[in-house]
Amino acid sequence: GQNIDQPTEMTATEGAIVQINCTYQTSGFNGLFWYQQHAGEAPTFLSYNVLDGLEEKGRFSSFLSRSKGYSYLLLKELQMKDSASYLCAVWGDSNYQLIWGAGTKLIIKP
Amino acid sequence: DAGVTQSPTHLIKTRGQQVTLRCSPKSGHDTVSWYQQALGQGPQFIFQYYEEEERQRGNFPDRFSGHQFPNYSSELNVNALLLGDSALYLCASSLDQGNPYEQYFGPGTRLTVT
Repeated sequence: GQNIDQPTEMTATEGAIVQINCTYQTSGFNGLFWYQQHAGEAPTFLSYNVLDGLEEKGRFSSFLSRSKGYSYLLLKELQMKDSASYLCAVWGDSNYQLIWGAGTKLIIKP
Repeated sequence: DAGVTQSPTHLIKTRGQQVTLRCSPKSGHDTVSWYQQALGQGPQFIFQYYEEEERQRGNFPDRFSGHQFPNYSSELNVNALLLGDSALYLCASSLDQGNPYEQYFGPGTRLTVT
């Protein structure tokens, strides 16, 4: 079967750094996405990794290891507005659909 | 340039009823995908429409059907509603020959079945 695992919830302090992990088992791999979703809103695109390594984009970075079926999203200099759910999604052997994890709810405390 | 729009924003229906949700893709996009997101879960792929045809379908019963119009807008129809159909329904648009990460989501329709 196809499976994507992420922690259900994480808590971090404003100004700190947090790493959200994602492991996946899918039939085929054509890329991994990270999305941010605030409560009651649509997901918004954060990053896309298709090759191994680290992709940095401002305060957010995403890492991929295809051999380990593993990715992480790194958020630096946390702000209160970063409180949201972070969804990991994989583009598997189908060209037309993403397979999604259940999301990690990130709570930022002052 | 308008992004993806969906209507209605919220909807309350009774078990057994039918519902139609609507989506207008981002300007220039020709592909529409529909997702169901239950509370606390990730989105689940329902189906994708391209060139007015259903191109791929997720693991959803035939009660879920759709349509794409010549202007690329799309409808999602759900018949014989069940309590378990209560969820946020997301529409995402993309360009068939575009980059895979350029999939834009609409604000969603919150469906409550009582």
